[in-house]
Amino acid sequence: GAGVSQSPSNKVTEKGKDVELRCDPISGHTALYWYRQSLGQGLEFLIYFQGNSAPDKSGLPSDRFSAERTGGSVSTLTIQRTQQEDSAVYLCASSLAPGSSYGYTFGSGTRLTVV
Amino acid sequence: GQQLNQSPQSMFIQEGEDVSMNCTSSSIFNTWLWYKQDPGEGPVLLIALYKAGELTSNGRLTAQFGITRKDSFLNISASIPSDVGIYFCAGFSPYSGAGSYQLTFGKGTKLSVIP
Repeated sequence: GAGVSQSPSNKVTEKGKDVELRCDPISGHTALYWYRQSLGQGLEFLIYFQGNSAPDKSGLPSDRFSAERTGGSVSTLTIQRTQQEDSAVYLCASSLAPGSSYGYTFGSGTRLTVV
Repeated sequence: GQQLNQSPQSMFIQEGEDVSMNCTSSSIFNTWLWYKQDPGEGPVLLIALYKAGELTSNGRLTAQFGITRKDSFLNISASIPSDVGIYFCAGFSPYSGAGSYQLTFGKGTKLSVIP
């Protein structure tokens, strides 16, 4: 597609429920990243995918968080047993190559609210 | 991990005034990027800087890569109402991990323009 597409744009869930957030990167972009943006904070790195390589999961805050990328394209971020502190905007980005000099192209994000 | 200290946190200015914001780090960065985020959207790249001392302009925006590689500033001249938003600095550090693909973000400067 023309840009990075994320769905849903907004998600309200009850504490303890699982949620899945979807990211469709720009066609041809091999690198895909997930970031989390809490209110008034910068962007916190969560996970990185590059081609068929093992993902870098070093930013995932707990084992309740997981992500996969199927067929080198669409990615899903799953949060199990959601907690109120998981409320944030989850941003996905893609780039032509890792560490691209052009930076990343971001989607509009999914605003997650855990009640 | 690497940290970027961005200031000021917020600014209220009159339309037509010039704006200046900056980012500093205790460690060096290879690339500095400046992003703008509008409400409900993901960050959009404004300017990218690739070497120490580089000064780059994009319309009314000017940014510089500090000579020590530990800082960068962004100036906006003759501000207009559509400049409202959150501005983030970001950088690639040689210490961010394999391939230096992980962007580190500042916490943002929220700009409000009074007509």
